[in-house]
Amino acid sequence: SSELTQDPAVSVALGQTVRITCQGDSLRSYYASWYQQKPGQAPVLVIYGKNNRPSGIPDRFSGSSSGNTASLTITGAQAEDEADYYCNSRDSSGNHLAVFGGGTKLTVL
Amino acid sequence: QVQLQESGPGLVKPSQTLSLTCTVSGGSISSGDYYWSWIRQPPGKGLEWIGYIYYSGSTYYNPSLKSRVTISVDTSKNQFSLKLSSVTAADTAVYYCARDYEDGESGFDYWGQGTLVTVSS
Repeated sequence: SSELTQDPAVSVALGQTVRITCQGDSLRSYYASWYQQKPGQAPVLVIYGKNNRPSGIPDRFSGSSSGNTASLTITGAQAEDEADYYCNSRDSSGNHLAVFGGGTKLTVL
Repeated sequence: QVQLQESGPGLVKPSQTLSLTCTVSGGSISSGDYYWSWIRQPPGKGLEWIGYIYYSGSTYYNPSLKSRVTISVDTSKNQFSLKLSSVTAADTAVYYCARDYEDGESGFDYWGQGTLVTVSS
């Protein structure tokens, strides 16, 4: 079983704001990274570190963290944001291992 | 621009060993700043980290797969490889190679396109 827990599905109305969460003990020590995956494509990194976006990622994507919970917020969701979103961090063992959350399917209504 | 490309057989028989190679271009595996990773995704399911290797050869594996996994690196060819032994149908998945900065805070920033490996007789 995954050490990072995500809600399986979330929906948002077009243009509204949505928060996708990720819970796990490792998040007390490590920031989460977030990935967007569209059908048939490889995941794309959208947020890493405290709240950093790789080049080319729109600024409507942001990240935050509190205690054992990390959040990905999309402010003004667009139709093209409909995708699966995964969180990831090092695991809580401190042994350089990585772990992914189970993923959240985002539907833009 | 860093690019990663997986290669290997798309069909493996049960009980045999799955072997894949990831070729890195646009950057050196020997740069020392990254862990070079394998991640898989069974059809319709989520991502599972398999393991990674540092250019020096240090490896870290998912405990659930550790007994069957070997990741190796060939710095002369700028490649790293995955071997997964005693495969079953449960190992059918898209296998990705990816790069992870060693600080553990920068995420998997570059991914290969993925390659589907089917385990079937």
